[in-house]
Amino acid sequence: EADIYQTPRYLVIGTGKKITLECSQTMGHDKMYWYQQDPGMELHLIHYSYGVNSTEKGDLSSESTVSRIRTEHFPLTLESARPSHTSQYLCASSDSTRTGGSGYTFGSGTRLTVV
Amino acid sequence: GQNIDQPTEMTATEGAIVQINCTYQTSGFNGLFWYQQHAGEAPTFLSYNVLDGLEEKGRFSSFLSRSKGYSYLLLKELQMKDSASYLCAAAGNTGGFKTIFGAGTRLFVKA
Repeated sequence: EADIYQTPRYLVIGTGKKITLECSQTMGHDKMYWYQQDPGMELHLIHYSYGVNSTEKGDLSSESTVSRIRTEHFPLTLESARPSHTSQYLCASSDSTRTGGSGYTFGSGTRLTVV
Repeated sequence: GQNIDQPTEMTATEGAIVQINCTYQTSGFNGLFWYQQHAGEAPTFLSYNVLDGLEEKGRFSSFLSRSKGYSYLLLKELQMKDSASYLCAAAGNTGGFKTIFGAGTRLFVKA
């Protein structure tokens, strides 16, 4: 049973649309992350959060924004989708009190296609 | 800079042993992770090393040498279900303690 949930699992959307990818976790983890992964490629960190009202940009500029109003919820918003945003988006969480012992827990991902 | 290097693909036979190597460079060091990722699925945590040496967990073992910036994942008694990508990831201890991931080694297990 998954403890971190992402919706939708698949999304096809037109250029210029605003979209929000949802991510929720029930483990009480303080840290949450968004990664972008193209097939056969490494994960690139887009945004991360170390707690409520704390968000930081990662290494990949993706023209997206995040919010962390509640511990369990970390949505990612694209204000204006472009074909270059077509990718898989993975949400993950971790517990800083157990850093390393259990690694990251990943959601099932959202596969986004922008046409 | 920060970098992870691991082979792109490996092939091994069912029942055999395979070793997947990884070299890393990070800004500081706060641990080395291995994840398994089946095609189309999310990565799942396999192991964590922060001290030098070998950590054994069932059929999987992971080794770390901090002085060499080197790790390996050892898979014993290979099964067909072990066909997957294996991601090496290193956590730094600066710049937000971020973890960087390698592109993964795609392992094919043949009968």
